[in-house]
Amino acid sequence: ILNVEQSPQSLHVQEGDSTNFTCSFPSSNFYALHWYRWETAKSPEALFVMTLNGDEKKKGRISATLNTKEGYSYLYIKGSQPEDSATYLCAFLNGGTYKYIFGTGTRLKVLA
Amino acid sequence: EAQVTQNPRYLITVTGKKLTVTCSQNMNHEYMSWYRQDPGLGLRQIYYSMNVEVTDKGDVPEGYKVSRKEKRNFPLILESPSPNQTSLYFCASSLAAGGWETQYFGPGTRLLVL
Repeated sequence: ILNVEQSPQSLHVQEGDSTNFTCSFPSSNFYALHWYRWETAKSPEALFVMTLNGDEKKKGRISATLNTKEGYSYLYIKGSQPEDSATYLCAFLNGGTYKYIFGTGTRLKVLA
Repeated sequence: EAQVTQNPRYLITVTGKKLTVTCSQNMNHEYMSWYRQDPGLGLRQIYYSMNVEVTDKGDVPEGYKVSRKEKRNFPLILESPSPNQTSLYFCASSLAAGGWETQYFGPGTRLLVL
């Protein structure tokens, strides 16, 4: 099983702080890297799908970058708000098998 | 409304009693998948299907079966459930496994096997 690792495991920030998380994945058989936002008692919801080395995606205050050569992606949240509190998951899609490997997530808590 | 539905949402059963968790999507998606979520382990893929009549094992397929007779449905079958299959299960679908297609998740099924 190929490993996808996310860091940190959990994070507490103050409202208004900017923050970022890391997702590390295998650099071979890369097909896509997905980011999801998962609120407690709900289902994961897609944030970004990233496919090309150097990709940068943005949605409001959240953005992500991708480096497939070295096998990492960063997720940034600018000016965190309490409603950003959630677990952020990344998932690696293997291009040889079309299997998804998820990381264990970064749990973000934004304090008002 | 475009959605992925799962039934039941909650289930308590006993060891060895066969059960089926249904999954249905109304978005004409080709790719469907089942995951289980356990504390500290993240989402792990059980089985996936690229299209009708095409299914493949994920990373944790032992003890599970699936079928894909119709595009919209992808049931998960536990022939003889055991306590280690107590978990939160998610079904997901995407238009295709083309990498650029996002997955849409169902609401989850919480299973307790006694």
